[in-house]
Amino acid sequence: DTGVSQDPRHKITKRGQNVTFRCDPISEHNRLYWYRQTLGQGPEFLTYFQNEAQLEKSRLLSDRFSAERPKGSFSTLEIQRTEQGDSAMYLCASSPQRLAKNIQYFGAGTRLSVL
Amino acid sequence: DAKTTQPNSMESNEEEPVHLPCNHSTISGTDYIHWYRQLPSQGPEYVIHGLTSNVNNRMASLAIAEDRKSSTLILHRATLRDAAVYYCILKWAGNMLTFGGGTRLMVKP
Repeated sequence: DTGVSQDPRHKITKRGQNVTFRCDPISEHNRLYWYRQTLGQGPEFLTYFQNEAQLEKSRLLSDRFSAERPKGSFSTLEIQRTEQGDSAMYLCASSPQRLAKNIQYFGAGTRLSVL
Repeated sequence: DAKTTQPNSMESNEEEPVHLPCNHSTISGTDYIHWYRQLPSQGPEYVIHGLTSNVNNRMASLAIAEDRKSSTLILHRATLRDAAVYYCILKWAGNMLTFGGGTRLMVKP
């Protein structure tokens, strides 16, 4: 399968713990995006990378959220000191750089439950 | 970001055409109109996009009003597998998608 891969699919954690999610984009897609989706709402943009450069991070929800893409391939999203309000689906997407098309391909997401 | 307005939900019968409307009266000249859909327990999936002219692909057709202030996604023969939330999104460059609430399409057998 050459689609966007996210790991884990589900994560249950206790409040105050740190969690890290991984996203493997479609190979040769140099843009990678993170979104968050809460129940009944559309996805909400968090941040995106072009290669290893994080070009937009002002939409990260707080300083407890951080993302990396160190070699321009896979990316990680970390949430420190989790809160119950962080419970949501975290979605990753990738796209090629051709702006006219720029279709984003989404993974199945990581569902986080904070107890 | 320019805003889109969609009905919260729509119903269709299986094997009948479905017309999903979207209003975007504040669209700018450089905004592309994108449609994505999200099936239950999956990430969003690209459906179609266009700028000014009507577009067709294997999944659907997109009809764009002449003034570009509205568009309609057309599924020619709805199947049970088309039951999903459909999002209409305006996008001007290679950055983020701004999702609204979308339209939940229910398909009855």
